Amino acid sequence: QVTLRESGPALVKPTQTLTLTCTFSGFSLSTSGMCVSWVRQPPGKALEWLALIDWDDNKYYSTSLKTSLTLSKDSSKNQVVLTMTNMDPVDTATYYCARTKRGAAVTNYYFDYWGQGTLVTVST
Amino acid sequence: SYELTQPPSVSVSPGQTATITCSGDKLASKYACWYHQKPGQSPLLVIYQDTKRPSGIPARFSGSNSGNTATLTISETQAMDEADYYCQTWDSTTASRVVFGGGTRLTVL
Repeated sequence: QVTLRESGPALVKPTQTLTLTCTFSGFSLSTSGMCVSWVRQPPGKALEWLALIDWDDNKYYSTSLKTSLTLSKDSSKNQVVLTMTNMDPVDTATYYCARTKRGAAVTNYYFDYWGQGTLVTVST
Repeated sequence: SYELTQPPSVSVSPGQTATITCSGDKLASKYACWYHQKPGQSPLLVIYQDTKRPSGIPARFSGSNSGNTATLTISETQAMDEADYYCQTWDSTTASRVVFGGGTRLTVL
């Protein structure tokens, strides 16, 4: 059974750094084709992809947020950590982690399991 | 940067067929997938690799991808299908990254 759970602060102040942890079970991030992604969704708005880390430790970031995002993984704990610097009120959103699978083709990525999401509010 | 465009809303009567489109430059050269999301819930994958359904997704859901447009078709639409639908692909032309469409609100009248 595949599960993912996001954890981190519910409230951060502007300019602070946000650290979110995705703890997963039921699969190995070392298996070829397995990835973990972060996606966020501001209240009432669309999904926005943030970052992806794959089985080979390659990391991909949203072009618009690349300078503020960092991904890391702890394979022994089955965790992926996302840090986002210089938080702003516009970054208020529900943050999801999702298992991402890559098929045989290089453009074949899809999110087959999602965590429940964690709401992060950026405010003084 | 690569963009996927979806209509903001689609309405359908119960029992009829709903069609939701997703447009992007040469989208058929990439794989598309679809998610639905009900209020307060996480997204759920309903179509991947253009046409495939994950286990547990009803056969009423089908997908296609041709030219610049991927299409999600829901036949015999039910009230429980009312949700937001998002398309998604991977773009490697300008930068390697995931791209989501802006979402379509499906209303079952």
